[in-house]
Formats: sequence, C-alpha cells, structure tokens
Amino acid sequence: DIVMTQTPLSLSVTPGQPASISCKSGQSLLHSDGKTYLYWYLQKPGQSPQLLIYEVSSRFSGVPDKFSGSGSGTDFTLKISRVEAEDVGVYYCMQGLHLPLTFGGGTKVEIK
Amino acid sequence: EVQLVESGGGLVQPGGSLRLSCAASGFTFSDHYMDWVRQAPGKGLEWVGRTRSKANSYTTEYAASVKGRFTISRDDSKNSLYLQMNSLKTEDTAVYYCARAAIMGARFFDHWGQGTLVTVSS
Repeated sequence: DIVMTQTPLSLSVTPGQPASISCKSGQSLLHSDGKTYLYWYLQKPGQSPQLLIYEVSSRFSGVPDKFSGSGSGTDFTLKISRVEAEDVGVYYCMQGLHLPLTFGGGTKVEIK
Repeated sequence: EVQLVESGGGLVQPGGSLRLSCAASGFTFSDHYMDWVRQAPGKGLEWVGRTRSKANSYTTEYAASVKGRFTISRDDSKNSLYLQMNSLKTEDTAVYYCARAAIMGARFFDHWGQGTLVTVSS
C-alpha cells in the first residue's frame, strides 16, 4: 500500500495569513500516462469531505483560487493564500495511483 | 445536482451483520464506479472498497481489513449502492461514506454522501 504522510498535524493561522500543508507519498505518484494522481480534500466540521484539488494542481469546480496545489513525484504541497474562517477543518491528501486508495492522516487547520 | 444519501447505520453487536444503502440521484449512476470510505470516530479516512460499472463487469475491490467480511453491490435500476457487512468487529465502528468515483479514470472521489454511523459494541 502507498503510505501518505502529512505535516504538520495541525496549524493555527491568523485570518488573512497564508498556510501551507505538506504531503509525502511512499512512492512516486507519477503514472506512465504522464499524470500524477495526487488529490486534496477538505473536511469541514460535521461535514463529509469535499474535493479541492485533483492531479496535484487542478482546482475542482467552484473551488476558489486562494487554494493551490503543487509538487511532483513524492512531495506535494497545498497552499491557502489567505486563510478565512470558512477554511477551518481537516485537510487530507489522497493518492489515486493504486488500489487501495490511501489518505494522509490529515492536517487540522484552525483560526487563531 | 448530484446527491448521495446513505442509510442503514446503527448499533450492532460484535459478530453481527448490517447492510448499508446509498441512494444516488442527479447523475447517470450506471456510468460510475462507486466506493465506500469510512472514518472511525476522531480518526482519518479509510477506503473500504469499490464496485466498478456494468461496462467493467461490476467487479469489486476491497481493503484488506474488510476482505472476506464485507460485500459491495449495486442495483443500477434503482440507482443504489450497498455494503453488506458481516462478522463485524469493534474496529469497524465508523461513519461510512458512499462516494462517487470521478468518471475520468476513477482515481478519486468527486462527490460524497453525508455518511451513516455504524457502531459495533456489546
């Protein structure tokens, strides 16, 4: 199974300030088709997860451009340019290269 | 609008069985692979398994932790997904989410249900 490791475990951010979350995979997520199958989800309190980013850096429909994803191979980053109260929750990375699909342990983002 | 609504959760004793359902609407259900993902209380997300579409013979895949105990099925005529859980263990206690795999490659979930809680306890 591909192990996904996220850091930090939690993040306390002043409103309007940026935040960055790291995700590392146990093996390269680059497929022979040239795509890299790394995704980011946000689970807001009391809600189900919602897709933010697919294939490393593409924003899903309706996701504001303050969210951006980057990285390659085994190292990936999710950045929030200006954190707002509505961004609180737990962020998960997920790999889609091989079954079983596996998630990082999550990064809890809260507002200072 | 895509909607996924799970039902069937509840309290069950260790060794017991439970069947979860997921009612889908707002999209062509038969075109999509469908998955179950669970989340133990206060923990992260764990993929449980999937059923592929008719075009892929409805084949199924399971996480090692549930293989041989859980069975995923679907009824495209009813736009419904099911999870039959047998020989339940306390560690199966979790919120179970129904998730739609994206049509492009089925490598991620683009829509999730609200979840249904399964508690395995004596």
